Amino acid sequence: KQEVTQIPAALSVPEGENLVLNCSFTDSAIYNLQWFRQDPGKGLTSLLLIQSSQREQTSGRLNASLDKSSGRSTLYIAASQPGDSATYLCAVERDTNAGKSTFGDGTTLTVKP
Amino acid sequence: NAGVTQTPKFRVLKTGQSMTLLCAQDMNHEYMYWYRQDPGMGLRLIHYSVGEGTTAKGEVPDGYNVSRLKKQNFLLGLESAAPSQTSVYFCASSWWTGTTEAFFGQGTRLTVV
Repeated sequence: KQEVTQIPAALSVPEGENLVLNCSFTDSAIYNLQWFRQDPGKGLTSLLLIQSSQREQTSGRLNASLDKSSGRSTLYIAASQPGDSATYLCAVERDTNAGKSTFGDGTTLTVKP
Repeated sequence: NAGVTQTPKFRVLKTGQSMTLLCAQDMNHEYMYWYRQDPGMGLRLIHYSVGEGTTAKGEVPDGYNVSRLKKQNFLLGLESAAPSQTSVYFCASSWWTGTTEAFFGQGTRLTVV
């Protein structure tokens, strides 16, 4: 059974700092990995999707990397801003079943002005 | 463009009552999903659908039923609500699995007393 772990569970940084969020998964037979952002009381917003054949994806100040063989992904946020405060979740989609993603519990990020 | 819309947003049920949660998407997506989110357990897939008229069980299907009579709608039913079904429910849709991002609704907060 696929298990997804995100460390740390919570992170507080001063504005402007670069930071890394970690996601690890136990079964490397994945189809893709996706990073989401969730604001309090809201749904999830997709940030980046990395196909299993890709190593990284970038969008603005966000960069996500994937090391499928070691079961790890990182989300790098450059020059953090208070507006980045949210919970970040990663999800991996299994190789064989359509749509069956396994989610981590998320990292709650607070960026202090 | 409304994206994914869930109704209702909040609901309180008594044990044993039934209800239906409605998810509607206007993006012509083939895939639709129902998740529940609980503290410390991440998002878990309840049921999903790969197209109109099809449904399949996810990770935690017991106590729930679904229907996808129209491509744009995915209904989640609770026949006899239990306190263990107190949770936040999210609907999501995607054009195809594995290659495109998933879009989430705002969530339905359900409390069963």
